[in-house]
Amino acid sequence: DGGITQSPKYLFRKEGQNVTLSCEQNLNHDAMYWYRQDPGQGLRLIYYSQIVNDFQKGDIAEGYSVSREKKESFPLTVTSAQKNPTAFYLCASKKLSGANQPQHFGDGTRLSIL
Amino acid sequence: ELKVEQNPLFLSMQEGKNYTIYCNYSTTSDRLYWYRQDPGKSLESLFVLLSNGAVKQEGRLMASLDTKARLSTLHITAAVHDLSATYFCAVDYNTDKLIFGTGTRLQVFP
Repeated sequence: DGGITQSPKYLFRKEGQNVTLSCEQNLNHDAMYWYRQDPGQGLRLIYYSQIVNDFQKGDIAEGYSVSREKKESFPLTVTSAQKNPTAFYLCASKKLSGANQPQHFGDGTRLSIL
Repeated sequence: ELKVEQNPLFLSMQEGKNYTIYCNYSTTSDRLYWYRQDPGKSLESLFVLLSNGAVKQEGRLMASLDTKARLSTLHITAAVHDLSATYFCAVDYNTDKLIFGTGTRLQVFP
């Protein structure tokens, strides 16, 4: 079955540590997105990519980095510069051509500080 | 500034009752999406609304879009407990990026 796989499901970060969240999709979607969700709030866009080897900052990119070396993969690194990383992180993907389609979401990674 | 506002933020309703969730957005767009999120889970796509006057229905949920008023509604008919979740609207400002509303947490009780 096609879908979006995020791993790990839970992640703990120590002070000064960088951590990487994985996002893989086998839907052959062009665009991929990373969102952050804080308790009781909506989703905020961190980074997005519409094509391999290219990506753009979203609304809250500071303290995060991404890469898009393959169409299927869009890992997110939460760097030590992100002082408040505790949140639920959601990856999404979307096909850009053809009829308008919704973004499809993975099951998320919950990140906490140790 | 691009804004998407939902109201109410929290809705507690009795089974069998009807209610409407409102989604207002600040700038012209003709692509609006509704999603459902269960606690601790991912987002599930409910409706895609692509033009003024669009109306879509699935079971007890019906969504509509009025692009002139910059308003979408999600109407719940004869609510059941299984509809308890958080509902988000999201607007695409022609960039394939979404701006999400704050969400409406719906709780249906017997």
